[in-house]
Amino acid sequence: GNSVTQMEGPVTLSEEAFLTINCTYTATGYPSLFWYVQYPGEGLQLLLKATKADDKGSNKGFEATYRKETTSFHLEKGSVQVSDSAVYFCALSWGGYQKVTFGTGTKLQVIP
Amino acid sequence: GAVVSQHPSWVICKSGTSVKIECRSLDFQATTMFWYRQFPKQSLMLMATSNEGSKATYEQGVEKDKFLINHASLTLSTLTVTSAHPEDSSFYICSATPSGGEEINIQYFGAGTRLSVL
Repeated sequence: GNSVTQMEGPVTLSEEAFLTINCTYTATGYPSLFWYVQYPGEGLQLLLKATKADDKGSNKGFEATYRKETTSFHLEKGSVQVSDSAVYFCALSWGGYQKVTFGTGTKLQVIP
Repeated sequence: GAVVSQHPSWVICKSGTSVKIECRSLDFQATTMFWYRQFPKQSLMLMATSNEGSKATYEQGVEKDKFLINHASLTLSTLTVTSAHPEDSSFYICSATPSGGEEINIQYFGAGTRLSVL
């Protein structure tokens, strides 16, 4: 079946450091790929998405590229801020109702 | 952006009682809503897909008589945990997908409900 594997956290970085959160997936067919972010006390928010191979999703300085050959969708940001501290979920969707499979989430802590 | 409200955010109940959780799409209509369960340090597990005006579709291993889902309108779905027991304690999250427009395939999430069964 479909599954998503992402790196375990927490990831602790200093402000302005480079961020990479790895995500790989297993799926039949051609799923859509997402990164969601959950800030403390809030619901999940869609951060970015990519719907086909080689697509690059980007938002708020974050980027991720849909790599079919390596079945990966790694999240990157060139310079993190304290306000980026949150839990990040990699996810894929399939099917007519866009059912979503989530990774386990990676907690990011950015210290001043 | 689209907003999904989930209520209550935290509920404590006695074993054997039932608890109802509401999920509302505040500024859009949602033909489809989803209910997830999240255990500590684990990913979200899809419990069921709720379609307005029809019976919910439950994932394998989820007891439909235990977790009753009603989607009576395009803006409201409810999850009732019946005869709750301590093992039902968890974080429950709903999401909703707009019925039309460009964002039809994006899920918008509520803030979640933490259920503690004593």
